[in-house]
Amino acid sequence: QKEVEQNSGPLSVPEGAIASLNCTYSDRGSQSFFWYRQYSGKSPELIMSIYSNGDKEDGRFTAQLNKASQYVSLLIRDSQPSDSATYLCAVNPRGSTLGRLYFGRGTQLTVWP
Amino acid sequence: SAVISQKPSRDICQRGTSLTIQCQVDSQVTMMFWYRQQPGQSLTLIATANQGSEATYESGFVIDKFPISRPNLTFSTLTVSNMSPEDSSIYLCSVVEREVTGELFFGEGSRLTVL
Repeated sequence: QKEVEQNSGPLSVPEGAIASLNCTYSDRGSQSFFWYRQYSGKSPELIMSIYSNGDKEDGRFTAQLNKASQYVSLLIRDSQPSDSATYLCAVNPRGSTLGRLYFGRGTQLTVWP
Repeated sequence: SAVISQKPSRDICQRGTSLTIQCQVDSQVTMMFWYRQQPGQSLTLIATANQGSEATYESGFVIDKFPISRPNLTFSTLTVSNMSPEDSSIYLCSVVEREVTGELFFGEGSRLTVL
C-alpha cells in the first residue's frame, strides 16, 4: 500500500508569515516528489518538484526532502492571501511509471491579511 | 507547459447513463493519464491512456466501467458508463510532457454530478 499522508489542516497564517506544509510517504524507494496547489473549484497546479535530499528553492517556495525520514515539506515565505488554497503532496513510488502518482489528501492553507 | 483542454467542463447526468469526456492537448505527448477526485478526497489514478493500445487500469477500475480511447498523441477520451451517484467526481486528464522530470500537468477537469 503506497500511502501519502498530510495534515488536512486547516492551516491558518497571517500575511507575511512562513507557512510550513508537511507530507510523509510509506514507500521508502520513492524517487520523485511533487507539490501541487489547488484553488477551490480548479484543477491542481504544479508548484515544485524535488528528486534528491535537501532543499530546492523557487521564489517564495522551498521544498525540502529527507528520504531517510520519508518526509517532504513545502515552505512558503512571505505568505500572501493569494496563497490560500489546498496544497497536495504527490509521490511517484519505486517501480512506477512516470505520471503514476500517489496523492495525499491535501492541506488547506488560509493566509489572512 | 502544454495546454490541456477538457470537454465538458461540467455536466449533470442521470443515473444509468454514460458520458464521454474529451481531452485535447496542444502538443504531442507520449504519456496521458486519467485521474478522479471525489468530493473532499484527493486524486486517484484511474488509468494510463496508451496510444494505439488498450489503456492500463489501476486496481479497482475496469474497462467496462471506464472505457478509454487514445487514437493519437494529442487526444483521449474517458467514458463513465452506467453512472451512479458514487461516480459524481471531478475527472482530470493529465500529461507528462518531459519524461526526464516526470512532472504531471492537469487539464481543467470535468465535474460530473450524477442524480
